[in-house]
Amino acid sequence: DTEVTQTPKHLVMGMTNKKSLKCEQHMGHRAMYWYKQKAKKPPELMFVYSYEKLSINESVPSRFSPECPNSSLLNLHLHALQPEDSALYLCASSQDLRQAGYTFGSGTRLTVV
Amino acid sequence: DAKTTQPNSMESNEEEPVHLPCNHSTISGTDYIHWYRQLPSQGPEYVIHGLTSNVNNRMASLAIAEDRKSSTLILHRATLRDAAVYYCILEYGGAQKLVFGQGTRLTINP
Repeated sequence: DTEVTQTPKHLVMGMTNKKSLKCEQHMGHRAMYWYKQKAKKPPELMFVYSYEKLSINESVPSRFSPECPNSSLLNLHLHALQPEDSALYLCASSQDLRQAGYTFGSGTRLTVV
Repeated sequence: DAKTTQPNSMESNEEEPVHLPCNHSTISGTDYIHWYRQLPSQGPEYVIHGLTSNVNNRMASLAIAEDRKSSTLILHRATLRDAAVYYCILEYGGAQKLVFGQGTRLTINP
């Protein structure tokens, strides 16, 4: 298995809802990432997990809450989002080695109404 | 984080080679150079990466300048499926993370 799987592919949520995005990989990668991508812009790094511990938080608002339950799973919990948070949310993983490439999922298209 | 500079867009013809340039004048000695591409409605796809020496794989070649301040991604024979946004990224030596720049939108003409 050489993929990063993200679910759901599409999500519409209200500003008072709580929802979660899920990311899964079975490549034995020990580093996992969340990125946010607005239309026609490059992906922006949000969080980095290394060996199931949060190692980087790029000053992301607390309405986004990441969780890494085990080495294969990465969740992003969403609460009280704003319409401007509508974007493509990408998950990625890599071996915890700097001579490795990163594998990205296809993303979850989130719309906040 | 070290920055990269790429042309906003480039155009080439099918079955011809494509050379995509990237400047990274503030690169440090431990920064890896990565290239990814992104097709519409998909996540970025790994193309190639390297540190100092030129690199080849089944998708492309990476030519790194001797002073490491620039690099070129070479697609040897472009196809229509190579039309995408290509990102040149420095993997910062102090932390394992990729910070994307604006990228180059590559158009391939039939």
